[in-house]
Amino acid sequence: KAGVTQTPRYLIKTRGQQVTLSCSPISGHRSVSWYQQTPGQGLQFLFEYFSETQRNKGNFPGRFSGRQFSNSRSEMNVSTLELGDSALYLCASSWIGDESYEQYFGPGTRLTVT
Amino acid sequence: AQSVTQLDSHVSVSEGTPVLLRCNYSSSYSPSLFWYVQHPNKGLQLLLKYTSAATLVKGINGFEAEFKKSETSFHLTKPSAHMSDAAEYFCVVSVRDKLIFGTGTLLAVQP
Repeated sequence: KAGVTQTPRYLIKTRGQQVTLSCSPISGHRSVSWYQQTPGQGLQFLFEYFSETQRNKGNFPGRFSGRQFSNSRSEMNVSTLELGDSALYLCASSWIGDESYEQYFGPGTRLTVT
Repeated sequence: AQSVTQLDSHVSVSEGTPVLLRCNYSSSYSPSLFWYVQHPNKGLQLLLKYTSAATLVKGINGFEAEFKKSETSFHLTKPSAHMSDAAEYFCVVSVRDKLIFGTGTLLAVQP
């Protein structure tokens, strides 16, 4: 079974631009979560989508948004990029029904904002 | 509120010696706890998980962790470190379908 895939793997953007990141979950997984990882703040939860609906949301500004498609693929969008948005963005998928809510992570997208 | 505290930000061991990475949790009910590992420039890989079954949990690559409710701890151990174990390790608690990560412990393995 293929793992979680994220595209692109690396991205360089300029302040003020917007960016869209993509995540394809493991086949059969309907939940997709997004995390931001930075040296200063560590790993922080952004949001989670299940069946095309946002189920959970972390404490990030409205510039961060996401969506999920009917095939469970998810995209994350960041508008009006700031230098502080430079980070590794990780996507994780899981199968709802596992009581532990085990998540499987993709390799991440490294975003650099200049 | 649910949270995890990793007590050491850096741990250094010699190859072949035991590894102990410490984690305390805070939870108002029986939690689901995990240890994830992240190698440089890689995503996160699940090492093991605790879900209220056996308190001693065995994971991949020889790692195990023991859930101790009385101490609110979930320490990660391995009898003998290998060079390939050098990575960052995260203790994680699951809270209403989202994961709360500890700050991570960077494990260095000296030859």
